[in-house]
Amino acid sequence: NAGVTQTPKFRVLKTGQSMTLLCAQDMNHEYMYWYRQDPGMGLRLIHYSVGEGTTAKGEVPDGYNVSRLKKQNFLLGLESAAPSQTSVYFCASTWGGWGTEAFFGQGTRLTVV
Amino acid sequence: QQQVKQSPQSLIVQKGGISIINCAYENTAFDYFPWYQQFPGKGPALLIAIRPDVSEKKEGRFTISFNKSAKQFSLHIMDSQPGDSATYFCAATLNYGGATNKLIFGTGTLLAVQP
Repeated sequence: NAGVTQTPKFRVLKTGQSMTLLCAQDMNHEYMYWYRQDPGMGLRLIHYSVGEGTTAKGEVPDGYNVSRLKKQNFLLGLESAAPSQTSVYFCASTWGGWGTEAFFGQGTRLTVV
Repeated sequence: QQQVKQSPQSLIVQKGGISIINCAYENTAFDYFPWYQQFPGKGPALLIAIRPDVSEKKEGRFTISFNKSAKQFSLHIMDSQPGDSATYFCAATLNYGGATNKLIFGTGTLLAVQP
């Protein structure tokens, strides 16, 4: 049972390039989330999804887009990367919203130069 | 109203000592308070959680103390071990269902337990 898997684990982008981060969960969870983690700022919610085909904005959505075409996958896209998007990105999933245990992936370390 | 303030930012404890991390929240409607533990290079994982109908919850060496009137809760790690060295995040949310009640995280505490 893999839980939540993120790909890739590391990536270096040049300013202006685009990329997609993939999150896959095998727990049949309805809810999925993308967070970014920066030193001294904790975890900040970028976008989330309450089910297949749905997405919603979180705390820091600017510069990111997401899609949830399949229940098990949640994609995070950066259309035109900026140095301010250098961060560690975490995907998480829950079966019943945030009042239930969240399972996190191992993270993607993204550097934008 | 949506903030969760966590302190200290970093903590060094000797092996066998007690580690204490404190959090304060503003929204009195919050009713679910989890703590997440994160080891270097890994994602956070749920450590222990409490709901406001109890003042304390203990799981092994880990205890959450909850003070509803002061809007504060804390994590106590008894007999701290080097393997407890990690970053700890407190969080709070409204637990009446749905992901729209976002989980608000504290800024994290880096704990180092010295052997």
